[in-house]
Amino acid sequence: QSALTQPASVSGSPGQSITISCTGTNSDVGGYNFVSWYQQHPGKAPKLMIYDVNSRPSGVSNRFSGSKSGNTASLTISGLQAEDEADYYCSSFTTSSSWAFGGGTKLTVL
Amino acid sequence: EVQLVESGGGLVQPGGSLRLSCAASGFTFSTYWMTWVRQAPGKGLEWVASMKQDGSDKYYVDSVKGRFTISRDNPKNSLFLQMNSLRAEDTAIYYCATRILGWGQGTLVTVSS
Repeated sequence: QSALTQPASVSGSPGQSITISCTGTNSDVGGYNFVSWYQQHPGKAPKLMIYDVNSRPSGVSNRFSGSKSGNTASLTISGLQAEDEADYYCSSFTTSSSWAFGGGTKLTVL
Repeated sequence: EVQLVESGGGLVQPGGSLRLSCAASGFTFSTYWMTWVRQAPGKGLEWVASMKQDGSDKYYVDSVKGRFTISRDNPKNSLFLQMNSLRAEDTAIYYCATRILGWGQGTLVTVSS
């Protein structure tokens, strides 16, 4: 089962925008529009922030947006807030009918 | 409101068994693929197993094939994970998940003597 590639860490100041990338292959990210993004605060369960590349579940702030180009998906957080500081994971459905996950990105709000 | 509530975790010795359950509510359970994902202490997320709506197809990560079995009871809106021959490396929080509706809060499985 494959793994997706994310940067280990990103940072930004309050009010700024940041983007987290998630790179896979034609067998996962590039082959399906089934990319999801999760936010995880310490000691908490992952929270679904984006599904199917760019759809937001009810209740998720519109400051969170997703996109995809080829084998790379991206999560953009605009108007950074202190509470956005967390770990972020991407996932994608794969040709093996499995889910591939990225290794996670630690977002620091400076 | 969509809810996924896991139960059945605990401390088990290596070689032992556990059966995890996930009670679903707030959505039409029988129409969704269901998935188990785990997270070892201090580590990232790992897909474990998935199952189609009618149970016709099941998929597993290589490390659990032959040891874990995913199943569901659609009339009772429940998902299960039978875990046999448990190993120390199976120690993790196990989450019940859907692709578009979210995840549960997880149940901790600790495999240790």
